[in-house]
Amino acid sequence: EAQVTQNPRYLITVTGKKLTVTCSQNMNHEYMSWYRQDPGLGLRQIYYSMNVEVTDKGDVPEGYKVSRKEKRNFPLILESPSPNQTSLYFCASSLLRGASTDTQYFGPGTRLTVL
Amino acid sequence: AQKITQTQPGMFVQEKEAVTLDCTYDTSDQSYGLFWYKQPSSGEMIFLIYQGSYDEQNATEGRYSLNFQKARKSANLVISASQLGDSAMYFCAMRGNSNSGYALNFGKGTSLLVTP
Repeated sequence: EAQVTQNPRYLITVTGKKLTVTCSQNMNHEYMSWYRQDPGLGLRQIYYSMNVEVTDKGDVPEGYKVSRKEKRNFPLILESPSPNQTSLYFCASSLLRGASTDTQYFGPGTRLTVL
Repeated sequence: AQKITQTQPGMFVQEKEAVTLDCTYDTSDQSYGLFWYKQPSSGEMIFLIYQGSYDEQNATEGRYSLNFQKARKSANLVISASQLGDSAMYFCAMRGNSNSGYALNFGKGTSLLVTP
């Protein structure tokens, strides 16, 4: 089944404790992206990647890191989480045949709470 | 800059009836894609339907159809024969070459409640 998977689905952690949210897709997509969704602010892009070893900042990259060592995986790293990073996080992927028309498929989301 | 507007914060529809969720957009891109996503209370973001800016036919996917009026810059979602499981938030989104990071630009969403 074609899908984007994220783990964990739910996470409660404390300020400053490093964490990684994994994302994997089995559709051989070049493009992958991380978003966060917050009430009143909608979905905002954190980082994106056009291919292996090619990553770039989105609209809200502060406090996050990513890596793309393999095409299928795009982990999101919070080196020192803070309460303002409490959010619902989505990983998404798409082809890059024509960036304006390719559908982005989303993972199931990760609900992160930072105390 | 792109803008997606969904003017209906909440909608009610009775089971088996059809419902239209409105979406208007603004962009200077010539080539763009319009998308609808469903977000149930469990939180996933589920892709429903896509319309390309150069597509002449309105997109359809099962009970979902997209009423695309390019001159009016509208891309309304029509759900036919509503089911209780259709109760969710619905987001209209756009992607174009001017989007920073090729990100999707989302509207604020419409909450749909299907009643028995």
